Amino acid sequence: QSALTQPASVSGSPGQSITISCTGTSSDVGGYDYVSWYQHHPGKAPKLMIYEVTNRPSGVPDRFSGSKSGNTASLTISGLQAEDEADYYCNSYTSNNTLYVFGTGTKVTVL
Amino acid sequence: QVQVVESGGGVVQPGRSLRLSCAASGFTVSTHGMHWVRQAPGKGLEWVGIISFDGSSIHYADSVRGRFTISRDTSKNTLYLQMNSLRPEDTAVYYCARERPGGWSDFDHWGQGTLVTVSS
Repeated sequence: QSALTQPASVSGSPGQSITISCTGTSSDVGGYDYVSWYQHHPGKAPKLMIYEVTNRPSGVPDRFSGSKSGNTASLTISGLQAEDEADYYCNSYTSNNTLYVFGTGTKVTVL
Repeated sequence: QVQVVESGGGVVQPGRSLRLSCAASGFTVSTHGMHWVRQAPGKGLEWVGIISFDGSSIHYADSVRGRFTISRDTSKNTLYLQMNSLRPEDTAVYYCARERPGGWSDFDHWGQGTLVTVSS
């Protein structure tokens, strides 16, 4: 099972919007609405930001939103803030032997 | 307050074994699926395995199946990861994570991780 494909890095200025893509196959991203996104500041515990493609857990700012089209899911951060600088990972359920697969990770830099 | 705390990491020689623990508080492991996820140095997250809320179903990633075993002790509210036949590529920070209540495909609480280094 290969990791889902994410861009290595995305950057934006404060207040701008950025979008991180997460590309898989029909066996994972495209086949199920079980895509989640995690924010990870190095040395800290990862944090759930989006679950089941579009849903935000309580406490996550509405600047974060998720979507999916075909085999590609996306995380959009609107009104980028300095504290959004972190690594972001997508995750999907997969019909392969390995039940869950993460993306390759994207480093978000706030300029 | 929901919390999970991993422990048991350290330096171990290739081929040897190590057991990690994940102590849960603020909830009971018998009502939530629990996962292990790892991150090798400079690499991304990798899902390792899951034990279902009732303990009846356990699944592993291809990379660890047959070498790693997930178990739990509900009386101690603790999750375990027994790692045998360790390889250098198993070097990573190991996280335990709780399944989100009402869901089964995402992880809403994570620990800070414990570092396992496999080296001679």
